[in-house]
Amino acid sequence: DAGVTQSPTHLIKTRGQQVTLRCSPKSGHDTVSWYQQALGQGPQFIFQYYEEEERQRGNFPDRFSGHQFPNYSSELNVNALLLGDSALYLCASSLEDRWKSYNEQFFGPGTRLTVL
Amino acid sequence: GQSLEQPSEVTAVEGAIVQINCTYQTSGFYGLSWYQQHDGGAPTFLSYNALDGLEETGRFSSFLSRSDSYGYLLLQELQMKDSASYFCAPRVDSWGKLQFGAGTQVVVTP
Repeated sequence: DAGVTQSPTHLIKTRGQQVTLRCSPKSGHDTVSWYQQALGQGPQFIFQYYEEEERQRGNFPDRFSGHQFPNYSSELNVNALLLGDSALYLCASSLEDRWKSYNEQFFGPGTRLTVL
Repeated sequence: GQSLEQPSEVTAVEGAIVQINCTYQTSGFYGLSWYQQHDGGAPTFLSYNALDGLEETGRFSSFLSRSDSYGYLLLQELQMKDSASYFCAPRVDSWGKLQFGAGTQVVVTP
């Protein structure tokens, strides 16, 4: 059973460019969350997708957008890249918990984005 | 406001016991998760406390006191492989959103 996978592993871009990161959730999971982790910091919530819609969003500008596909995989797009966007981008998947009693999120290995 | 506090670094020898404390202040609270992250790796789930009390999973235990907005992770019989960053992450809404702090770097020495 494959866990959460992300691609690419590493990416180097220049300021002003656009980037697309991809995530495939763990088998059976239907919810995907994206996090940004700067060096030496904890992951910061970007947004969450469920049923192909952005369900909630963290404190990130509109340059950050995403998409979820019918097979539950997801993309994170960042436009007009800034130096400060350099970070590890993590995707986490989970199964929607109707009873809201438990929520274990499985993280992928991340995409290391460097903006020059 | 919202805040999350845990020590930045803890050093201990192999075989020792380490307790990582976490105090939180969040707009919503559904439970407290703990994650381990090795350098360059993905955060991996360790435990989740929805109710007050102690949860034990092998060498790791986690405790929660909702009235005190406080929790801790206890690492017993420390091994070299336990050297990593540990994050407490409150679940702040019904959809499972996690709030992470800067984490605690645990260094295990021989």
